[in-house]
Amino acid sequence: GQNIDQPTEMTATEGAIVQINCTYQTSGFNGLFWYQQHAGEAPTFLSYNVLDGLEEKGRFSSFLSRSKGYSYLLLKELQMKDSASYLCAVHENNAGNMLTFGGGTRLMVKP
Amino acid sequence: EAGVTQFPSHSVIEKGQTVTLRCDPISGHDNLYWYRRVMGKEIKFLLHFVKESKQDESGMPNNRFLAERTGGTYSTLKVQPAELEDSGVYFCASSLTKGAGDTQYFGPGTRLTVL
Repeated sequence: GQNIDQPTEMTATEGAIVQINCTYQTSGFNGLFWYQQHAGEAPTFLSYNVLDGLEEKGRFSSFLSRSKGYSYLLLKELQMKDSASYLCAVHENNAGNMLTFGGGTRLMVKP
Repeated sequence: EAGVTQFPSHSVIEKGQTVTLRCDPISGHDNLYWYRRVMGKEIKFLLHFVKESKQDESGMPNNRFLAERTGGTYSTLKVQPAELEDSGVYFCASSLTKGAGDTQYFGPGTRLTVL
């Protein structure tokens, strides 16, 4: 099985930068996804990392270190609409095609 | 392009009743997944269809849950009889292929409450 940990809640200020961490333990890592989920809505895809390093996509970037079992999602120039839950999910290569999710990090952006 | 849709958005039933949830994947996506999130827990995998075939049903909790995807298009998930612990949000997702890294696109979920 897998153990995926991420902080339960974070608070940040509009215009600031926030980093949401995710650590995982897996026997056969095959990629890590970040999703954003607003309350009552569908989780929406943000990023995918399978190789070490930083993937930048506009205001959002995601980093992966496979040796450390660690990823983070970096949100820059925070906007009020970024208040949402951020879900870290791992794809394991001996577990079919399922994603294994962390509990999610609820981010509150304040003025 | 329409995303993944699910029906109903909410369902409130009594213990012992039957409920059927429906998922319409993105058109052309052969892969369809069911997940659920029970209160206070993480989203957990239930099963995976490739077209009309069950590829992986390792996450199905027990035989009260029956998933079908006749014709390889939409899918239904039936819970019969429902128990209190079945309450939660049931998500459906679809993907074009089943390769590593292929993004799974999620629907908004069906919130099931069993009283």
